[in-house]
Amino acid sequence: EVQLVESGGGLVQPGGSLRLSCAASGFTFKNYAMSWVRQAPGKGLEWLSTISGSGSGINYADFVKGRFTFSRDNSKNTLFLQMNSLRAEDTAVYYCAKVRVTYYEELDYWGQGTLVTVSS
Amino acid sequence: QSVLTQPPSVSAAPGQKVTISCSGSSSNIGSNYVSWYQQLPGTAPKLLIYENNKRPSGIPDRFSGSKSGTSATLGITGLQTGDEADYYCGTWDSKALVFGGGTKLTVL
Repeated sequence: EVQLVESGGGLVQPGGSLRLSCAASGFTFKNYAMSWVRQAPGKGLEWLSTISGSGSGINYADFVKGRFTFSRDNSKNTLFLQMNSLRAEDTAVYYCAKVRVTYYEELDYWGQGTLVTVSS
Repeated sequence: QSVLTQPPSVSAAPGQKVTISCSGSSSNIGSNYVSWYQQLPGTAPKLLIYENNKRPSGIPDRFSGSKSGTSATLGITGLQTGDEADYYCGTWDSKALVFGGGTKLTVL
């Protein structure tokens, strides 16, 4: 059974940093691209990034370039999201998701999400 | 402002059929597959339809998808109260994954 478990969310002050993790199990992690998607309270889904199975290819949404860094450790079946210079508008539930087969495809499994609150 | 346009809400009675539209452009829906996601209250999104009209294992055939040109449609027949959820369309656009703003389905 595919499982994705995010962690690392919490309350952080504006301008602060946070590192989210996503632990994957139930599939051969290194063979699949992975994505991060966030959802602000009461709002819709917003894609952040997709990273290839090897980690060598990454696409970012324009609005996170320079502030967020995406990476993965295939030896630990874990995905990471390093967020810097956080703003109030980054407050959201952050989901990691598995890409179904190849890179530019749909997301077939999602984690339960982790809440990030940016506030003083 | 979402790249893909969905109606904010739709409603229908139990047992009835409902459709949810998703409108895009030639750079997204017009040239890529469309997927649909169901988000039940308080839960993570779940893949409902992929490659325009295919259902993952476990998704009942009450759910269907179609695409024509730069628009896509999700259909749900035999509505149940358990179908009350937010529904999102998604596709790729210039190497970015884009979603519709979401449609809240109310089963009256």
